[in-house]
Amino acid sequence: DAMVIQNPRYQVTQFGKPVTLSCSQTLNHNVMYWYQQKSSQAPKLLFHYYDKDFNNEADTPDNFQSRRPNTSFCFLDIRSPGLGDAAMYLCATSTRTGPRDEQYFGPGTRLTVT
Amino acid sequence: AQKITQTQPGMFVQEKEAVTLDCTYDTSDPSYGLFWYKQPSSGEMIFLIYQGSYDQQNATEGRYSLNFQKARKSANLVISASQLGDSAMYFCAMRDGNQFYFGTGTSLTVIP
Repeated sequence: DAMVIQNPRYQVTQFGKPVTLSCSQTLNHNVMYWYQQKSSQAPKLLFHYYDKDFNNEADTPDNFQSRRPNTSFCFLDIRSPGLGDAAMYLCATSTRTGPRDEQYFGPGTRLTVT
Repeated sequence: AQKITQTQPGMFVQEKEAVTLDCTYDTSDPSYGLFWYKQPSSGEMIFLIYQGSYDQQNATEGRYSLNFQKARKSANLVISASQLGDSAMYFCAMRDGNQFYFGTGTSLTVIP
């Protein structure tokens, strides 16, 4: 089945220790998104790629970076995690960015910072 | 200003009853899409239903239907014949141009 895969599902890292979350898709979608979702809150868009074009949200901290080496994979790098970065990180894909283009979400990675 | 407003932080419904989850939106773009997602405690966002701004009829997908009132800018989700497995967070979302906006969500609990 075509899908969006996130690894790992649970990640524990230490304060200040770099961490990378990964997302892969078998849908061959052009667009990949990274969201941060804290407890009982709506997902917050961090950035997205339209093919190789990177689009950063204005309020995304510099601590967060992303890489998309090919269509299938996208990575979220947190350079120096703080306690406030503990959250669920959701990856999503869509074919384009038109009104009809729904986002397909992965299962998420729950990040704990100790 | 909020693009998507969900005014019900929590809702309860008796099993087998219908429930309506409210959503209002704000956009000046004539072309937009409205979506509802379900998020169980496991965390995955599950797409439920879509309504386009130009769609003449309300969207339906099985037990889910969308009460779309364009003039009022509302897109309420109706779940008929609630099941225990429907207990989850429900997010209303809108695609407006290149942006995808989420509401703050409604936590639905189905009571046996």
